[in-house]
Amino acid sequence: GAVVSQHPSWVICKSGTSVKIECRSLDFQATTMFWYRQFPKQSLMLMATSNEGSKATYEQGVEKDKFLINHASLTLSTLTVTSAHPEDSSFYICSSSGGSSYEQYFGPGTRLTVT
Amino acid sequence: GNSVTQMEGPVTLSEEAFLTINCTYTATGYPSLFWYVQYPGEGLQLLLKATKADDKGSNKGFEATYRKETTSFHLEKGSVQVSDSAVYFCALKGPSSNTGKLIFGQGTTLQVKP
Repeated sequence: GAVVSQHPSWVICKSGTSVKIECRSLDFQATTMFWYRQFPKQSLMLMATSNEGSKATYEQGVEKDKFLINHASLTLSTLTVTSAHPEDSSFYICSSSGGSSYEQYFGPGTRLTVT
Repeated sequence: GNSVTQMEGPVTLSEEAFLTINCTYTATGYPSLFWYVQYPGEGLQLLLKATKADDKGSNKGFEATYRKETTSFHLEKGSVQVSDSAVYFCALKGPSSNTGKLIFGQGTTLQVKP
């Protein structure tokens, strides 16, 4: 299957600062990328869907000004958590899809801890 | 709307026991169905999938059959190993989805003891 990487794998930041998480599709062109949030022992919550070169589509209840998503190329999408607060601490997972199958390939996740 | 319901966990089994994790769905038309596995501290990996009714997905000894009549996609394995301990997610993709958006169940934790 396709390989998707995320960087960093974990990050600790202070409240009020911003954090950027990268999601890279290493061996295929991802026309669509998804960003999920996962709380401990819970399922994945889709935050937004982004298509290369266009604005992301956010799910209901997700603040687009707080969670900035950029999908500038077919291999890279970034999620920036702005003015982070402790309640933003979570496991963030991206996935990529491309081609006609629409199968999603998941990154390994990024654990964010806001102190 | 579309939804997925999984049996609650955790499921605790002894090594070599038979595993069933139930999954039922609600969707219009014929969705595609998936099982994903998440090992501790990692992202999700596709375990198996089925795209039409009566299809059986299989991988690494795991199987699931797409049952339209019961709207189910139960995961089974004949003999589990300690290394199968993980969280398992059932998911669907709606037939009308043009983005590949997945709807996940709540996940079921499997613990296999030696």
